[in-house]
Amino acid sequence: EAQVTQNPRYLITVTGKKLTVTCSQNMNHEYMSWYRQDPGLGLRQIYYSMNVEVTDKGDVPEGYKVSRKEKRNFPLILESPSPNQTSLYFCASSLWGTGGYEQYFGPGTRLTVT
Amino acid sequence: AQTVTQSQPEMSVQEAETVTLSCTYDTSESNYYLFWYKQPPSRQMILVIRQEAYKQQNATENRFSVNFQKAAKSFSLKISDSQLGDTAMYFCAFMKQGGVGGSNYKLTFGKGTLLTVNP
Repeated sequence: EAQVTQNPRYLITVTGKKLTVTCSQNMNHEYMSWYRQDPGLGLRQIYYSMNVEVTDKGDVPEGYKVSRKEKRNFPLILESPSPNQTSLYFCASSLWGTGGYEQYFGPGTRLTVT
Repeated sequence: AQTVTQSQPEMSVQEAETVTLSCTYDTSESNYYLFWYKQPPSRQMILVIRQEAYKQQNATENRFSVNFQKAAKSFSLKISDSQLGDTAMYFCAFMKQGGVGGSNYKLTFGKGTLLTVNP
């Protein structure tokens, strides 16, 4: 089954404790992206990757890091989480080419930073 | 930069009736894509329908159809014969077309419309 998986689905942590949210896709997609969803703000892009070792900032990259060492994986790293990073996080992937391809979303990770 | 506006934070409809969700956007691009995504209580983001700006014909997917007015920069979603399973948050989203820059693949989302279908 074609899918994007994220782990963990729920995470409660404390300020400053480094954490990683994993994302994996089995569709051989070149493009992967992270979004955060906050009430009243919709979804906003954090980082994206066009292929292995190629990443770039989205609209709200502050406080986040990413890496793309393998095509299927695109982890999101919060090195020193703060309460304003409490949010619902989505990983997405799609083909790369002429554009307009459907982006497939993972199930989301609910992060709470206290 | 592109912006997407959904002016209806919440809507409700009776089962089997028709409802229309509004979306307007602002862009200087000539070619782009527009999407409607559905987010049920499970939180999963599900693509409902997709429209290419260069196509004059409005997209349809079963009970879902759009009214795309390019000059007015309007992209509304019509849901016919509403079902209880249509209860969800609906997001309108914009994507540029073409180019090799990864930023062209970014989806710019509206703030969403929470639709409740009542029995």
